[in-house]
Amino acid sequence: GAGVSQSPSNKVTEKGKDVELRCDPISGHTALYWYRQRLGQGLEFLIYFQGNSAPDKSGLPSDRFSAERTGESVSTLTIQRTQQEDSAVYLCASSLEFGLAGGEQFFGPGTRLTVL
Amino acid sequence: AQTVTQSQPEMSVQEAETVTLSCTYDTSESDYYLFWYKQPPSRQMILVIRQEAYKQQNATENRFSVNFQKAAKSFSLKISDSQLGDAAMYFCAYRSAKGSYKYIFGTGTRLKVLA
Repeated sequence: GAGVSQSPSNKVTEKGKDVELRCDPISGHTALYWYRQRLGQGLEFLIYFQGNSAPDKSGLPSDRFSAERTGESVSTLTIQRTQQEDSAVYLCASSLEFGLAGGEQFFGPGTRLTVL
Repeated sequence: AQTVTQSQPEMSVQEAETVTLSCTYDTSESDYYLFWYKQPPSRQMILVIRQEAYKQQNATENRFSVNFQKAAKSFSLKISDSQLGDAAMYFCAYRSAKGSYKYIFGTGTRLKVLA
């Protein structure tokens, strides 16, 4: 496919369980971003990756959140010991340019996480 | 730290009419980029328009145009000849041209288009 894909599209889990969310960026895109969007809210930055540089993790809300990316390919966002306040849509985006003229972010459809 | 403010949680417009969505931001930087993104009910975010801060000319994309006032730190989006398909959440976003490349998003404006 030509776009950013995310899986699963929906995830329901019980409080205290760990979850993994996956993002497949557009091939060749060097930058990858994760956001959280609570119901009726804007996008909350979580983390971004750029090539082999150290990721900017400044938006991760707690040490229960972590993310990995191998090279310029797929990324996984892991939430450990999920809490009800983690319920949200998690959006992934990728972009081609980075450091150049305002690279457009291409967004995936998101994963809706519900913690019971 | 940079902030982006969208003061209109919801707006309505009649089909074929014009509507303007407001966005203000705060930054001490001189080089940056501003964006408007659209998020329809399907929740797939789509770029509507982009503005480079060093450009004085306002960006336009077909029926979409911006009014960029750098001194006032204002970046409004005008939608002309509104169509039913324009109904969505609209987010204003900021990104520095140097240093951190995080995008800062506003809280969004829900646009309703009335037939």
